[in-house]
Amino acid sequence: GENVEQHPSTLSVQEGDSAVIKCTYSDSASNYFPWYKQELGKRPQLIIDIRSNVGEKKDQRIAVTLNKTAKHFSLHITETQPEDSAVYFCAASKEGRRALTFGSGTRLQVQP
Amino acid sequence: GAGVSQTPSNKVTEKGKYVELRCDPISGHTALYWYRQSLGQGPEFLIYFQGTGAADDSGLPNDRFFAVRPEGSVSTLKIQRTERGDSAVYLCASSTDRGPYEQYFGPGTRLTVT
Repeated sequence: GENVEQHPSTLSVQEGDSAVIKCTYSDSASNYFPWYKQELGKRPQLIIDIRSNVGEKKDQRIAVTLNKTAKHFSLHITETQPEDSAVYFCAASKEGRRALTFGSGTRLQVQP
Repeated sequence: GAGVSQTPSNKVTEKGKYVELRCDPISGHTALYWYRQSLGQGPEFLIYFQGTGAADDSGLPNDRFFAVRPEGSVSTLKIQRTERGDSAVYLCASSTDRGPYEQYFGPGTRLTVT
């Protein structure tokens, strides 16, 4: 089955800096890659997603890039703010199988 | 509009007991998913419903776990003969049946088996 690896496990940045989280996937048939933000004790929140027919997608300070050949995708957060502090999860799924396979998470801490 | 809701928010039970966890999806979402999240890990898929039927139950760990969705809306996850290893947060998500199938999660039920 699908395996998603996520790095780094923890990331500390200064407010205003950029943060990058990377994920790799194993199943070349995967075609949907969402990113979730989870604050302590809260539900995972979908923040951005990308499909395999595009290479990059942006939404304000957040962007996701996808390299299908290398089977990796990344989350980029620019101008980080303290409220960006949370655990971020990448995930992958493929056509015909809705189940998401999640990475192990990245704890992002933005220092004011 | 109202998001996915789950009850109870917390459940403490003794080893060997039976528990039921409930999920109420976003109105109009025909697809419903159950995941389990252990401390410090990402959610792990359990089962997916399309309407009333289980379209994919490949993530259920064993036959002690069962889920139903009799009217195609609310779903109940049932765990028999609970074990301490079942302790986790059980998350429910829902999505439409049209692309892009974005899954929206509920707040979860924290299950503790003592």
